[in-house]
Amino acid sequence: LAKTTQPISMDSYEGQEVNITCSHNNIATNDYITWYQQFPSQGPRFIIQGYKTKVTNEVASLFIPADRKSSTLSLPRVSLSDTAVYYCLVGDPGTYKYIFGTGTRLKVLA
Amino acid sequence: GAVVSQHPSWVICKSGTSVKIECRSLDFQATTMFWYRQFPKQSLMLMATSNEGSKATYEQGVEKDKFLINHASLTLSTLTVTSAHPEDSSFYICSASVLAGKNTGELFFGEGSRLTVL
Repeated sequence: LAKTTQPISMDSYEGQEVNITCSHNNIATNDYITWYQQFPSQGPRFIIQGYKTKVTNEVASLFIPADRKSSTLSLPRVSLSDTAVYYCLVGDPGTYKYIFGTGTRLKVLA
Repeated sequence: GAVVSQHPSWVICKSGTSVKIECRSLDFQATTMFWYRQFPKQSLMLMATSNEGSKATYEQGVEKDKFLINHASLTLSTLTVTSAHPEDSSFYICSASVLAGKNTGELFFGEGSRLTVL
């Protein structure tokens, strides 16, 4: 099973760029990397997905090195409303089960 | 994006009763749905994988007779917590894979259902 490792928590200030790195050493060739955001008492919400190199959308960027054993979610100019838990997932190649790691609890301070 | 809806969003029940939680894919067909549970300040734990028209596959340590999963159609999966006890109180979340069979990792999640067993 493709497992992920992330920092447990991070603090940042409003307006700063936040980078959260996820390690996934046994990612499979066909796996994609997907990041989710979760607020308390809500289901996770999709942020961004990528396979390699760099992906950017209107809310975040995702950097994936050539070996794909890690990925970095970049949130530009965070605001208080970005305080949440961020999870990275990689798809399980054999069973399509998606295992959540611990996630990173981001706290944005004023 | 694809929408997954859960019902009820919260439920309180007495110990010993059964509770059913529904998970619907509103604008797409979901061959595969997943059920998770989440305790306060913890990550989501995968309970089972639900495939339309077949028996669910349960994760190790999850009692299949306790957590009954039915996926009778391509848009509906249900989780029934049978003979609920206070330790079953948790946040239950379902998700669906739009591109079932392809490993893109894209999952869409429901809003979650908070179960409190008295």
